Amino acid sequence: DAGITQSPRHKVTETGTPVTLRCHQTENHRYMYWYRQDPGHGLRLIHYSYGVKDTDKGEVSDGYSVSRSKTEDFLLTLESATSSQTSVYFCAISVLAGADTQYFGPGTRLTVL
Amino acid sequence: AQSVTQLGSHVSVSEGALVLLRCNYSSSVPPYLFWYVQYPNQGLQLLLKYTSAATLVKGINGFEAEFKKSETSFHLTKPSAHMSDAAEYFCAVSDSTGTYKYIFGTGTRLKVLA
Repeated sequence: DAGITQSPRHKVTETGTPVTLRCHQTENHRYMYWYRQDPGHGLRLIHYSYGVKDTDKGEVSDGYSVSRSKTEDFLLTLESATSSQTSVYFCAISVLAGADTQYFGPGTRLTVL
Repeated sequence: AQSVTQLGSHVSVSEGALVLLRCNYSSSVPPYLFWYVQYPNQGLQLLLKYTSAATLVKGINGFEAEFKKSETSFHLTKPSAHMSDAAEYFCAVSDSTGTYKYIFGTGTRLKVLA
């Protein structure tokens, strides 16, 4: 299995609070991605990174920011959590983009009350 | 813009029967296509992928998929379902233009009946 961990694995928070989710990899892969998974929507890309300090928006980036100061860590921040951000969040990594396989972390279940 | 459509959010088959999960894509450039499987409370793992080599792609656990450009399809099949195949399956598309983005379908939950 690819060495990807996500923390925390579960979190309950209140509306309006900031939340940071961490993705850590031991594979030294260049590309990292944050997705959210919701019933009926599959996985939707929030943000991705193609190198240290190089990030870009995905299709559902509003209300989220990311940072990547080291190859191994990709942080996702909900600046002011809302109930619509209750979801399961997955991190993924890949060596290349396009044709390459993505390897997924175990996910973080976030509940915003 | 690329897109993926998975027909049928839930599919039920009997153990030993053929599994057919449908995926149609839309892409203005040659696509790369993937099938991932997700078991309960886990992340996704790759079943197989098409990257413009052979159109019939074989994956893990006896699954295979055929790329049909004329039908813009990439359906997933397995000749004989096993109880352990019960999971959610996602089709995904990316492209060769270097946008680094993968588009996932909404998923098909496969139930295997004894």
